[in-house]
Amino acid sequence: KAGVTQTPRYLIKTRGQQVTLSCSPISGHRSVSWYQQTPGQGLQFLFEYFSETQRNKGNFPGRFSGRQFSNSRSEMNVSTLELGDSALYLCASSSGQTSGNTIYFGEGSWLTVV
Amino acid sequence: GQQVMQIPQYQHVQEGEDFTTYCNSSTTLSNIQWYKQRPGGHPVFLIQLVKSGEVKKQKRLTFQFGEAKKNSSLHITATQTTDVGTYFCAASSGTYKYIFGTGTRLKVLA
Repeated sequence: KAGVTQTPRYLIKTRGQQVTLSCSPISGHRSVSWYQQTPGQGLQFLFEYFSETQRNKGNFPGRFSGRQFSNSRSEMNVSTLELGDSALYLCASSSGQTSGNTIYFGEGSWLTVV
Repeated sequence: GQQVMQIPQYQHVQEGEDFTTYCNSSTTLSNIQWYKQRPGGHPVFLIQLVKSGEVKKQKRLTFQFGEAKKNSSLHITATQTTDVGTYFCAASSGTYKYIFGTGTRLKVLA
């Protein structure tokens, strides 16, 4: 069974640009969560989608948005990029049926903002 | 809001020594999960604890969930170089949202 797939793996953007990251969850999983990981702040929860609906949201500004499609694939978008947005963005999937489901992480998308 | 503190932030041990990381929540948890992230890798699920006072073992790893369900620990006996990485706890209050601890970076010196 294929794992969580994230694309692109690496990208460099300029301040002020916007970026879209994609995540394909494990087949059959309906919950997709996004996390931002930086050396100083650790793993910060961005949002979680289940069956195309945002079920939970972290404390990030409105420049960070996401969506989930009917096939459970998810995208997150960051507009008006800032230098501080440079981070590893991790997508995680789970069945989402109960709060105790195992979370499976993708390998992440490394974003560098210059 | 819910806060999850993890200590220590870093730990260097000689191979063969034991290692423990602690996770403390400001609120009562419904469950807690532990993850390991190797350098350059992504977090990988290790275990989930649900019951008050629960203790689970995986070979040299022992996981405990506090009686009040507000803290947890991961203990590694006789560390090996393969144990190197960052260990995260992830706490849930039952809302499908997991708050990750800041992680403990373990370095094992051969």
